[in-house]
Amino acid sequence: DADVTQTPRNRITKTGKRIMLECSQTKGHDRMYWYRQDPGLGLRLIYYSFDVKDINKGEISDGYSVSRQAQAKFSLSLESAIPNQTALYFCATSSSIGGWGEQYFGPGTRLTVT
Amino acid sequence: SQQGEEDPQALSIQEGENATMNCSYKTSINNLQWYRQNSGRGLVHLILIRSNEREKHSGRLRVTLDTSKKSSSLLITASRAADTASYFCATFSNYQLIWGAGTKLIIKP
Repeated sequence: DADVTQTPRNRITKTGKRIMLECSQTKGHDRMYWYRQDPGLGLRLIYYSFDVKDINKGEISDGYSVSRQAQAKFSLSLESAIPNQTALYFCATSSSIGGWGEQYFGPGTRLTVT
Repeated sequence: SQQGEEDPQALSIQEGENATMNCSYKTSINNLQWYRQNSGRGLVHLILIRSNEREKHSGRLRVTLDTSKKSSSLLITASRAADTASYFCATFSNYQLIWGAGTKLIIKP
């Protein structure tokens, strides 16, 4: 089974709808991240969480919110989706213990806002 | 804003040849990491080089880091069709990874 899972894998929604993307991990990592990827671009950080009580905005947090329900779960919400939020969304995890910041990624959620 | 810039943006070579990708960055770093992404899938960590290291090897991968020039290179030797993917460098500082736009590598049979 995959260490980092994301649901749904694909989603088409309409402008103005609220949508939630979910991420779960079994790696036991304390840190979790949400990124978006647009064609031809690298990843841009939306939000990150270093533990359940610590949530921080990333580079492009406007229009998004997150919830860290447990160490293993981190969800991303689009309160009122707009077409320019059409992108590939990735969840990632890392550990603060050992390692040097390597991140482990889920398979991604392809979101289309019409 | 993106920290790293990869060069070239796209690279097409014959199977068996070596592939070299470059990454430049702007600020001081703790380490630099390379990741691979197969067509729209999640990224996979390949190799990490710390700021006090100059070269690192892992299988067919060789990474160099020149902190004075703020640049890194990734060499894939004896390329295979399965190496077809996008490759991203990411610099680690202040507990975050900052990503470049990637190099798309195509290995022709």
